Parts: sequence; C-alpha cells; structure tokens
Amino acid sequence: GAGVSQTPSNKVTEKGKYVELRCDPISGHTALYWYRQSLGQGPEFLIYFQGTGAADDSGLPNDRFFAVRPEGSVSTLKIQRTERGDSAVYLCASSRSSYNSPLHFGNGTRLTVT
Amino acid sequence: LAKTTQPISMDSYEGQEVNITCSHNNIATNDYITWYQQFPSQGPRFIIQGYKTKVTNEVASLFIPADRKSSTLSLPRVSLSDTAVYYCLVGDKESQGNLIFGKGTKLSVKP
Repeated sequence: GAGVSQTPSNKVTEKGKYVELRCDPISGHTALYWYRQSLGQGPEFLIYFQGTGAADDSGLPNDRFFAVRPEGSVSTLKIQRTERGDSAVYLCASSRSSYNSPLHFGNGTRLTVT
Repeated sequence: LAKTTQPISMDSYEGQEVNITCSHNNIATNDYITWYQQFPSQGPRFIIQGYKTKVTNEVASLFIPADRKSSTLSLPRVSLSDTAVYYCLVGDKESQGNLIFGKGTKLSVKP
C-alpha cells in the first residue's frame, strides 16, 4: 500500500523566504509526527498531532515554525523567515495511534537555505 | 523522558551475527522498546518492537532482560545491504508523542 508521502523531495530557498513542506500520511493513521534531521544526527522531534490537534509541539525551535493538520490527514510544516540554520531533512511519520505503535516515515524533504 | 545509549559505530563482515545493545536505565513500566533502521536519503524504517524477554521476526531478534534496563538487537548473518544506522527508542508514557531518537549506531558490513 501507499506509504507516507512528502513533497517536495528537495527545496532550495533564499534566506528570509517562507516555505511550506507537505506530508501525506498513511490513510487511517491518526497520529502524525514531524522530525528534523541534520547530517550525522538522529531525527530531532518537532511536533506531534493526534487527529487535527497538536498534542505536543515542544520540539518546535521557535515561533518561525508552525504546523497544521486541519482535517486530520495531510499536514503542512510552515517555516517563516528561513535561516541558513534551518537547512536539514524534514521527516514526517504517521502511526495508527500514538502509544507504542510503530512510526512509518516518509523519505523527507531536504531543505536548503542559501 | 526515557533516554537511550548506544555505541556510535560497529563493524562486521558478511555472514556474521551482529548484536547491538542499547541502554535505557530509566525505562518506565508501560514503555515498549522499538528499533528502527535508516539508510542514507531515506526515512527510518521499523524493524522490531518488544516489551520483555525475546521477540523474533523475519528480520531480527530482540532480547530484553528481566530488568528491562537494556535491550539487544540481533541481526543474523548480515549482508552488505544491512549497512545502515540503527536507532533504539523507548516509548515515554509521560509524553506519548515525543519519541526521542539518539544518534544511533552506524553499522558497517564489509565483504
């Protein structure tokens, strides 16, 4: 079946610009996660949705980062006034429920801020 | 939050059994232990999950001692395609969604 889909796969933007990253989770998965991964590091938690609501956004680094999931399916991660330090691979994952259900990851969006 | 400690890297040869141990001293009663595998340019992929004793699937085995303060992922007869980073995660009931990845163990399989 279809896995988690992330678009675009690559995004290059200039410092100061606004970007949106999209995640299509596996159908029926209620939990959705965003992670950020820098080279040589493990994925870093950003935010977690249960349905439409953000159950835990403690990993968002600052108020330039925002994520939505208005209908409990597709999610968009939004980054305002991008900085070079935002360059990373942004990973999305979904699961059937939050607790102890394995995460299914997409292949990520590689964001490069020049 | 339950945190994990793994070796940064391991080397092996094709056909050998590889055991990667993860320490999680402050694991909570209801926490499960989950292992993921990640290849370059891909998202992590679920390998195996367990709560106690031993779990085996077609890919790997997971050994968990009675005190659950550690776990060992066992990969039988590795091949070059098993070269990847392996992450151990422990589910945290205090913050159920905030699953923390460490730096993982980079396994290099040589011919």
